[in-house]
Amino acid sequence: RKEVEQDPGPFNVPEGATVAFNCTYSNSASQSFFWYRQDCRKEPKLLMSVYSSGNEDGRFTAQLNRASQYISLLIRDSKLSDSATYLCVVTRSASKIIFGSGTRLSIRP
Amino acid sequence: NAGVTQTPKFRILKIGQSMTLQCAQDMNHNYMYWYRQDPGMGLKLIYYSVGAGITDKGEVPNGYNVSRSTTEDFPLRLELAAPSQTSVYFCASSYLVTPGARISNEKLFFGSGTQLSVL
Repeated sequence: RKEVEQDPGPFNVPEGATVAFNCTYSNSASQSFFWYRQDCRKEPKLLMSVYSSGNEDGRFTAQLNRASQYISLLIRDSKLSDSATYLCVVTRSASKIIFGSGTRLSIRP
Repeated sequence: NAGVTQTPKFRILKIGQSMTLQCAQDMNHNYMYWYRQDPGMGLKLIYYSVGAGITDKGEVPNGYNVSRSTTEDFPLRLELAAPSQTSVYFCASSYLVTPGARISNEKLFFGSGTQLSVL
């Protein structure tokens, strides 16, 4: 079993829709959690950190559930520019930064 | 401020050839990393460094070597290229206030990647 698992998708939703995807992690010692965005053939870029209390950044909301060991990302009012692969990242130490395989999201007009 | 600069962007190697992927950052970050990403897969850590003169193996170090003679530079060397090393390589850096302890700043800054093909 992978330490960090994501639904690979693709999620294909119309513009303006709300879409959510989860990421599960297996190591309860995991300390920090993030969502990165990766466009095709580009480097990953940090989208947002994920805190236990949940956090919001504009149309994006991230949640962490330590008891069930998953994090989620919710995108409201999706835009065409949101089309990308979203990588779940879980860290335990400076060298234990584990990337999920990513969830592909495609927004259609 | 250039951030993380990675060269070359593309390279084709023949089996058995060697090459060095260059990575430089100008943010005075202490931590630097090399990842590889195979199609449809997540990033896998090859090597990392917590500061000049200190390097350590990641998840998939076989076939690679690194050095960290300065804070800025972290080159990755492939000595005998094999088809299994065909991948996209990303260099990244981050600044951790308390190295070795609980992470306090985990944001990774990535270079733009190197597409390597070994034929």
